[in-house]
Amino acid sequence: DAGVIQSPRHEVTEMGQEVTLRCKPISGHNSLFWYRQTMMRGLELLIYFNNNVPIDDSGMPEDRFSAKMPNASFSTLKIQPSEPRDSAVYFCASSLVAGRYTEAFFGQGTRLTVV
Amino acid sequence: AQRVTQPEKLLSVFKGAPVELKCNYSYSGSPELFWYVQYSRQRLQLLLRHISRESIKGFTADLNKGETSFHLKKPFAQEEDSAMYYCALVTGANNLFFGTGTRLTVIP
Repeated sequence: DAGVIQSPRHEVTEMGQEVTLRCKPISGHNSLFWYRQTMMRGLELLIYFNNNVPIDDSGMPEDRFSAKMPNASFSTLKIQPSEPRDSAVYFCASSLVAGRYTEAFFGQGTRLTVV
Repeated sequence: AQRVTQPEKLLSVFKGAPVELKCNYSYSGSPELFWYVQYSRQRLQLLLRHISRESIKGFTADLNKGETSFHLKKPFAQEEDSAMYYCALVTGANNLFFGTGTRLTVIP
C-alpha cells in the first residue's frame, strides 16, 4: 500500500477562488481525519469521519469550509471562497479503529497558498 | 472539552544532553495519549503510545494522571532527534487531537 495519498502536493490560488483538496486513505481503514497545520496553531483538527460519516466537524473554521467522504476510498476538503488566511499545510490521516485505538497514518500534506 | 497543551514551541539542546518535551492535557474521560514526530521532509508518524509503556529511539513518556501530563524524555539527545514533536490525545469517540507542537533542535 502506498499509504495515504493526498493531491495536489502544492496549490497556489487567488483569493476568492474555490480550492479542492483530495485524500485517498489506506485501504481497509475506517476513520479519516483532516488537519490544518500552521506555525501559530500547530495541528488543528478540522473534521473526523468514521465509516464515511462525519462524526465531529466542530473544527471546521467557517461555512467556507466543507468536507465530504462519498465512499471509503476518497475524501475531499473544499474551501469556497478561499482567503489568504487559509494558507497552510492541510493533512489527511486515516486509521483502523476496531475497539482499541490504533495508529493514524498521515499523507504528505497539501501546501495551500492563497494570494 | 479536550485540550492538549505543549508550552514550548521551540527547544534547543546540545548533543548528549537530556531532553524533555512537555505535554499537558485536559480530558474528562480516561485518556489515551501519544507522541507523534515529523522529521524533515517526512510524514508525521507515531513515535510512542502510553499504553505500550515502550521506549522508542531512546524516548520514553509516562502518563501522570495527577498532574495530567505526558512529558517525552530522552537521557542523551542525538542530532537525528531534531524534528517536530506533537503530543496527541484520543477521546472515547476515537477522535484524535494534537497539541501545537514543539520543534526540537539538537546542536552538535
